[in-house]
Amino acid sequence: GAGVSQSPRYKVAKRGQDVALRCDPISGHVSLFWYQQALGQGPEFLTYFQNEAQLDKSGLPSDRFFAERPEGSVSTLKIQRTQQEDSAVYLCASSLALGGDTEAFFGQGTRLTVV
Amino acid sequence: GDSVTQMEGPVTLSEEAFLTINCTYTATGYPSLFWYVQYPGEGLQLLLKATKADDKGSNKGFEATYRKETTSFHLEKGSVQVSDSAVYFCALKRLHTGRRALTFGSGTRLQVQP
Repeated sequence: GAGVSQSPRYKVAKRGQDVALRCDPISGHVSLFWYQQALGQGPEFLTYFQNEAQLDKSGLPSDRFFAERPEGSVSTLKIQRTQQEDSAVYLCASSLALGGDTEAFFGQGTRLTVV
Repeated sequence: GDSVTQMEGPVTLSEEAFLTINCTYTATGYPSLFWYVQYPGEGLQLLLKATKADDKGSNKGFEATYRKETTSFHLEKGSVQVSDSAVYFCALKRLHTGRRALTFGSGTRLQVQP
């Protein structure tokens, strides 16, 4: 596809359930980022990958959050034992490289609601 | 740590009015600065950017100047349209050191009335 694709667009999970969110970056993009956007707030960094290597996961809020990008393309963000405070929009972005002025392209996000 | 502060919204303007959305930042070194826009139902899109002091980014009639002395990157447009209604995010990114991800402000919602 032409842009960053995220699925599902909406996810409702019961508290304690595990969820997996998928990101298909733009083909050929080396860098991939995950962000969490709470209602009425700006996106906050979770983790990023350069190809298949996870170079920074310092933004992951707890060890219930796990991300992978095994073949350097599609990435999955997994949240185990979801809690209500995990309710947010999860955004994926990709860029051609890691450079300071390289444009990051964002997907439409997955809205997770934990009930 | 790095941070970005934006004026709170919503900002409500009539069509053809002048727009200013204030943005100030705190960061180590010399970050790149960005404005992203989120139209209803769509993902974040890059609106404009500036990579060094005194640079002016511009796009679609919007512009912002990187002011190192005041650590600001205010967004301006001379005449807004209804189609400019969206949420605007100011952001920074370090160029060479530390975290390479974007640090965003909390966003400012703009509502333009016909």
